[in-house]
Formats: sequence, structure tokens, C-alpha cells
Amino acid sequence: QSALTQPPSASGSPGQSVTISCTGTSSDVGSYKYVSWYQQHPGKAPKLMIYDVSERPSGVPDRFSGSKSGNTASLTVSGLQAEDEADYYCSSYAGSNNFDVFGTGTKVTVL
Amino acid sequence: QLQLQESGPGLVKSSETLSLICTVSGGSISSSSYYWGWIRQPPGKGLEWLGSIYYSGSTYYNPSLKSRVTISVDTSKNHFSLKLTSVTAADTAVYYCARRYISSWWVWGQGTLVTVSS
Repeated sequence: QSALTQPPSASGSPGQSVTISCTGTSSDVGSYKYVSWYQQHPGKAPKLMIYDVSERPSGVPDRFSGSKSGNTASLTVSGLQAEDEADYYCSSYAGSNNFDVFGTGTKVTVL
Repeated sequence: QLQLQESGPGLVKSSETLSLICTVSGGSISSSSYYWGWIRQPPGKGLEWLGSIYYSGSTYYNPSLKSRVTISVDTSKNHFSLKLTSVTAADTAVYYCARRYISSWWVWGQGTLVTVSS
């Protein structure tokens, strides 16, 4: 079970947008609509930001959006704010044998 | 409001067994809609799913750790447990317990750091 591939870092100025990619395979991201994104601030537990590729849990700002094309999913944060600076992880369902796989993580910096 | 709390030794000797408990409060572990599981994060590194369990006892494990991981559930105590055998320094991590709905981890514990010493 290999981790999904994310860029190590991404950055943007306040008010700008940043997009993070999450590349898997036809056995995980490419086969299921079950891609999630998590935000993690230093020393804190991860927080669910996007589920089922593009759905937002209650309370998550609509500045966060998700999409998927083929084996690659993406998270876009629009109108960047200082509090968006954090690590972001994707995850995908990978079938009944592998179940869940996480991405390598991306550190988002607000310049 | 559902809360999860990890508990267990913060220091484990190399080659021994790591044991943690996740206590669920504010809700029942026997709810049919959810899986419960363990996820870990080595210092400065990413998240790794270890395994999941349904209240009935059905389990799913990360294939790379399957031979060393056991997750069990005790519905009478409203908690579930993790055992990881033959630990090495590579198993040093923050261990999180969490609740899974459909395919996402919606509720997380605060995490507990377990250090493996030689």
C-alpha cells in the first residue's frame, strides 16, 4: 500500500488561491469517489475539510473546495487567510483489502 | 458531543508490545454506521492508517503492518484497543484514534505520543 503523492509545499499571499494535488492510482483515487482532505495545525489532530471528493462538512468555509480527475484529486483554498497555514493531507478509500491510504502531506504557507 | 481519548504508556521498550485504548464518550461505539480506527504520525512525518474495526468485531488492517497489529473492541466499556507487537524505533509516533463514517475520519482523539526506547 503506497502513500498518495502530494507536493511537499505550496504557498500564496492572503486573498490568493492555492491548489494542492493528490495523485494515486486506479486502485484508489481513480476507482472511488471517496477522497477526503484533512487540515492539521502544529500539535493538533487533523480536521476533516472535504469528504467524498467535493463535499464540505458543516462549518468548513466554502473557500475550501475539492475535485477529482482520473487518478488525481485536488484541493483548492480560495481567498487565503492566515489561519489556512497548515499541513494538508488527502486520503482515499482503496478497496476492501487496503481500506484507507493517506497522502504524503503538503505544507501550505501564507506569505 | 462525541469525544475520543487515547490512553496508554508513553514509553515502550524495543521488541515489546505497544498497547493503547481509545475511550469513546458522548456516543455509543455500537452505532451501526461507523468504523473506529487507529492512525499514527511519526514526528515530522505524515499520517499512516493502521487499521479499522466495526462494533461487531470485523477488522481491516494496513497490509504493511498486518502481521503486527491487532485491534479489538469492548462494547461494554465503550472502548477499542490497539496492540502493535515487536516494536522498533520506527514505531515512535503520535497515535490517534478516530471514528470513520462512509470513508472519512470525522472525529479524532487528541493523540498520544508513544516513544520506543532501546
